[in-house]
Amino acid sequence: EIVLTQSPGTLSLSPGESATLSCRASPSVSNNYLAWYQQKPGQAPRLLISGASSRASGIPDRFSGSGSGTDFTLSISRLEPEDFAVYYCQQYSSSVTFGPGTKVDIK
Amino acid sequence: QVLLQESGPGLVEPSETLTLICSVSGGTISGYNWNWIRQPPGKGLQWIGRIYYSGTTNYNPSLKSPVTMSVDTSKKQFSLKLNSVTAADTAVYYCARGLPLYDFSTSSTGGGMDVWGQGTSVIVSS
Repeated sequence: EIVLTQSPGTLSLSPGESATLSCRASPSVSNNYLAWYQQKPGQAPRLLISGASSRASGIPDRFSGSGSGTDFTLSISRLEPEDFAVYYCQQYSSSVTFGPGTKVDIK
Repeated sequence: QVLLQESGPGLVEPSETLTLICSVSGGTISGYNWNWIRQPPGKGLQWIGRIYYSGTTNYNPSLKSPVTMSVDTSKKQFSLKLNSVTAADTAVYYCARGLPLYDFSTSSTGGGMDVWGQGTSVIVSS
């Protein structure tokens, strides 16, 4: 099973700042089969990024994904009030597993 | 616009079988995989399994309760059966559409789950 570790657990930032979220995989993810999701309280997750770096339909360009193999990053530039949420990475290279999540909250 | 709607009992007794149905509207079932994911209260997401249009299934091997999924293409529904449930199966259950691994429209890697139901809360208790 591919285990995903996300860091930090919580990121406290102010609107307008940038966020960098990390997702590490063990063992590695092949073919960049990694996705990122945003989840707000009481809502279903929303797909942001698939294939490690491709934005899903309707996702603003302030969200970007990068990385390969064992290290992946979700970057959010210029945080908007609606971006404060929990973010999960998910691999679909070998079965499907989710990371534990990173909470981005308002400082 | 594709919409997914979960339905099922909100309360299930321990050792019983939980059955949930996901209804697909506004789109086709073929060409995608159809997933069940759950989220225990205050915790993260756990993938339960997926079923393809053809009926092929993949399940999470770490699940303790036996799982069965099926698809009814005529009704545009897919279902989840979780046998011998325990309190540990208490969660919000989501169904979600899984994308093909290659996106021909953008010539890029695809995948991920792009449409989710609103979720249905299931409590296992006597």
